[in-house]
Amino acid sequence: DGGITQSPKYLFRKEGQNVTLSCEQNLNHDAMYWYRQDPGQGLRLIYYSQIVNDFQKGDIAEGYSVSREKKESFPLTVTSAQKNPTAFYLCASSTAPGQGFGYTFGSGTRLTVV
Amino acid sequence: AQSVTQLDSHVSVSEGTPVLLRCNYSSSYSPSLFWYVQHPNKGLQLLLKYTSAATLVKGINGFEAEFKKSETSFHLTKPSAHMSDAAEYFCVVSDLSGANNLFFGTGTRLTVIP
Repeated sequence: DGGITQSPKYLFRKEGQNVTLSCEQNLNHDAMYWYRQDPGQGLRLIYYSQIVNDFQKGDIAEGYSVSREKKESFPLTVTSAQKNPTAFYLCASSTAPGQGFGYTFGSGTRLTVV
Repeated sequence: AQSVTQLDSHVSVSEGTPVLLRCNYSSSYSPSLFWYVQHPNKGLQLLLKYTSAATLVKGINGFEAEFKKSETSFHLTKPSAHMSDAAEYFCVVSDLSGANNLFFGTGTRLTVIP
């Protein structure tokens, strides 16, 4: 079945460390997205990519980095510069940029700083 | 600018009674509107979408929503709540003007009392 796989499901990070969250899709979608979810705040866009080797900052990109070397993969690195990284991170993909529907979400990674 | 306001952060209903989750939107364009559901520690699942066709939209699991332009509302309803409906619900607006085009409400947590 086609879908988006996020791993790991739970991740613990020590302060000062970088960590990378994985997002893989086999839907052949061009666009991929990373969202951060905090309690009571809905989803906020971190980065998005419309095509391989291209990505754009979202609303809260500071302290994060991404790459898009393959169509199927869009990993997110949470760097030590991110002051409050504890959150639930969701990856999504869509059929084509500019489409408002056709988003598929992964099941998320919960990151906790210890 | 696009935005959505979910008027209730938490709604509690008894099993078998109607559900009403309220959403108001603001959009510079003719909007596309969506409702997504999220069960604990899971990704988001599309319930239904409005894209300028019929104003009464039917979705999965018996949910429906009515687009009211005069009231800038897109409230989600269900005639009879089921225990499995307990989840977080997000109202989302899209302006279809670019890849970064989903704007999420802050969510409404639905509790269903047996």
